[in-house]
Amino acid sequence: GQQVMQIPQYQHVQEGEDFTTYCNSSTTLSNIQWYKQRPGGHPVFLIQLVKSGEVKKQKRLTFQFGEAKKNSSLHITATQTTDVGTYFCAGPGNTGKLIFGQGTTLQVKP
Amino acid sequence: DGGITQSPKYLFRKEGQNVTLSCEQNLNHDAMYWYRQDPGQGLRLIYYSQIVNDFQKGDIAEGYSVSREKKESFPLTVTSAQKNPTAFYLCASTTTHSTGGETQYFGPGTRLLVL
Repeated sequence: GQQVMQIPQYQHVQEGEDFTTYCNSSTTLSNIQWYKQRPGGHPVFLIQLVKSGEVKKQKRLTFQFGEAKKNSSLHITATQTTDVGTYFCAGPGNTGKLIFGQGTTLQVKP
Repeated sequence: DGGITQSPKYLFRKEGQNVTLSCEQNLNHDAMYWYRQDPGQGLRLIYYSQIVNDFQKGDIAEGYSVSREKKESFPLTVTSAQKNPTAFYLCASTTTHSTGGETQYFGPGTRLLVL
């Protein structure tokens, strides 16, 4: 079946270092979304990418949608302790409902 | 995340007991979803409903049941048939972007523990 995979599963960085998580779909996606879940919290929508090759920025976060619309990345520049959490990508499945990746959990050492 | 409430925040279940988790939204969203999240894991879809009085099984529906009698409410019952119910349960509702695609808004979740 259709799958959305994320790597890495876990990442530990020193505060100030950069961080990237990658998302890969087994099928072409009409759009890709990113969510952040803080420890003990619930997922919160960050952004949606729709166009092939699209790049969007939110302060230190840069989101990219691949040319083939099958992969995406989230890059955080100069991580801060507030960036701690699990980042999920999600794309619409064949039935229209979202399929979530397994998430990348980011730990930041101060 | 605003506009979706889940209760209780913590729930304890005894062996053989059915328990019901509440999910209410005042966002006027048509579609609602239930997910299960285990520690260090992603989100697994239990059930979803795209319209009142209709719902569909997700990937892990066994041992769970739902109802959708009102647009605002989508309660989840964890039955005694669910042998490993300890998890974090998340309810979500969906709105559609102007550019297409649906964004999910999540409630704060209910942590279910088995005694």
